[in-house]
Amino acid sequence: QLHLQESGPGLLKPSETLSLTCTVSGDSISKSTYYWGWIRQPPGRGLEWIGSLYYSGNTNYNPSLKSRVTISVDTSHNEFSLTLSSVTAADTAVYYCARHAPEFDSWGQGTLVTVSA
Amino acid sequence: QSALTQPASVSGSPGHSITISCTGTSSDIDDYNYVSWYQQHPGNAPKLMIYHFTNRPSGVSNRFSGSKSGNTASLTISGLQAEDEADYYCASYTTTSTLNIWVFGGGTKLTVL
Repeated sequence: QLHLQESGPGLLKPSETLSLTCTVSGDSISKSTYYWGWIRQPPGRGLEWIGSLYYSGNTNYNPSLKSRVTISVDTSHNEFSLTLSSVTAADTAVYYCARHAPEFDSWGQGTLVTVSA
Repeated sequence: QSALTQPASVSGSPGHSITISCTGTSSDIDDYNYVSWYQQHPGNAPKLMIYHFTNRPSGVSNRFSGSKSGNTASLTISGLQAEDEADYYCASYTTTSTLNIWVFGGGTKLTVL
């Protein structure tokens, strides 16, 4: 049974760096031929793809966020992480991690990150 | 990369059918067979309902079906039930010369009257 769980700080100040981790159980990030991605959803709004990591280590990012985003993997802990720099209030959202192939077939429960002074 | 275009809302009566459209471009929907649909109830993560335009994952009701015509994908829900009331999102894969990109539609709120 595949399970994804997001973790990280829920409150940030403007200009800080957002760091979230997705812990995966039930599948191996480095061995399965899937993408592992991050998606966010501002309160009351739609879904936005942030970026994805392929099992081989290649990354793809949303062009609108590319300059601020890094997705990395820790294969020893079967985790992948999101870093988003220089956050503003516009980055306030529920952040989801997901497996996709290319359809997003498994999602974490999501974690709310609020950016506020 | 522009988001896919969905109607903001649709509604239907129990037992009836509704269709939600998702319009893209020749760079995404028309070129690739990777459109998928997601159902999201308030406070929950999205759930995959349809992939590769027409395929249903195991466990998804056969009341949900997908189709494609040119640049537009569609999700049809037949025999509407109260539990179908939710937000629905389409998503598509596309590529530039150097990137693989995924885009979502703006979402459609389904109200079961």
